[in-house]
Amino acid sequence: GALVYQYPRRTICKSGTSMRMECQAVGFQATSVAWYRQSPQKTFELIALSTVNSAIKYEQNFTQEKFPISHPNLSFSSMTVLNAYLEDRGLYLCGAREGHQNTLYFGAGTRLSVL
Amino acid sequence: QQKVQQSPESLIVPEGAMTSLNCTFSDSASQYFAWYRQHSGKAPKALMSIFSNGEKEEGRFTIHLNKASLHFSLHIRDSQPSDSALYLCAVLSGGNYKPTFGKGTSLVVHP
Repeated sequence: GALVYQYPRRTICKSGTSMRMECQAVGFQATSVAWYRQSPQKTFELIALSTVNSAIKYEQNFTQEKFPISHPNLSFSSMTVLNAYLEDRGLYLCGAREGHQNTLYFGAGTRLSVL
Repeated sequence: QQKVQQSPESLIVPEGAMTSLNCTFSDSASQYFAWYRQHSGKAPKALMSIFSNGEKEEGRFTIHLNKASLHFSLHIRDSQPSDSALYLCAVLSGGNYKPTFGKGTSLVVHP
């Protein structure tokens, strides 16, 4: 079956520092990876959509300068939260799909706390 | 920009009840409608999806879509405690692939 492993599961960083999270797709080819943030206020925001061999598309309010993403092959993607502050807290989820399928396979998320 | 809203925000039902969850969307050109379920501490997982107006049933779960009213719903028959989770609806607009999710409905089914 299709699985997505996401790590770390939890991380705590000091205000102003950065942290990186990674996603590994197993059992399918992650042609596209969508990164979301599920905030304490319960919103489920799309940060960016990455497709192998294409430019990464960031949503309004999210930038490459703040959330750089790497998607070097069909099984791996990473995202870094640079200069994290309190408003960046939340559960970051990666969802991957294969080819032109509509279903996203999600990782369990990386919960970011900022001190 | 696509807006997806879910109601209710939370729901508590007794075991065996029929549960109804709602999702509205703003883009009339939307083409794909899905429900995901996220158990506490776990990854969201696709539950059911539908493309065209009407109903689709899989076991105890039924999805209903009415594009004209920009609304789709999930109905759970004979709700079980194991159904307790956060239910997220997702909508895909036409054109570029860009799944938009609602905030979710937190469902608790008590024995």
